[in-house]
Amino acid sequence: GAVVSQHPSRVICKSGTSVKIECRSLDFQATTMFWYRQFPKQSLMLMATSNEGSKATYEQGVEKDKFLINHASLTLSTLTVTSAHPEDSSFYICSAPIQGNTEAFFGQGTRLTVV
Amino acid sequence: GENVEQHPSTLSVQEGDSAVIKCTYSDSASNYFPWYKQELGKRPQLIIDIRSNVGEKKDQRIAVTLNKTAKHFSLHITETQPEDSAVYFCAARGPSQGNLIFGKGTKLSVKP
Repeated sequence: GAVVSQHPSRVICKSGTSVKIECRSLDFQATTMFWYRQFPKQSLMLMATSNEGSKATYEQGVEKDKFLINHASLTLSTLTVTSAHPEDSSFYICSAPIQGNTEAFFGQGTRLTVV
Repeated sequence: GENVEQHPSTLSVQEGDSAVIKCTYSDSASNYFPWYKQELGKRPQLIIDIRSNVGEKKDQRIAVTLNKTAKHFSLHITETQPEDSAVYFCAARGPSQGNLIFGKGTKLSVKP
């Protein structure tokens, strides 16, 4: 089946630094990638939608200058958390739809801890 | 936009009993309703899904029912086992959307 590979799975960074999270579609072309954030004991909340070759669209309340999204190719989308703060500590997970397929394919998720 | 409500937030059952989780959605145009099981620190795993042209779907011990008129759908797990313990999320997606809108989740505990 379709696979979305997400890296890193875990990252610890210092406050003020930036962290890049990558999601790759391994056997299909992902023209769209959804980025979700999940705080402990909460649900998955959509942060933004990246589209290959165009600017990402952000959900209300998500700072586009803090969460930089780049969808450089049909197989790679990245999320960069800039100037990270402890409150950015969360589980970040990407998901890619496949045209003609209703199922959503998730990456493994990234546990970000900002200290 | 779409809004998905999920109840209960926690559910504790004895092994062998049935468990039912209910969700409602707001957008009558939504046509795809998956259910996910998520274990701590892992990605959500699709366990069953249903489209709006079907009223019920079953896969072994798991079933999902959909009432389009009332805009609600439910997950039914029969003969629960301890390994069914996890957080379950319902979701909905409309025909013009690609992203899923998730419910807040139900933490299911199955006691041996």
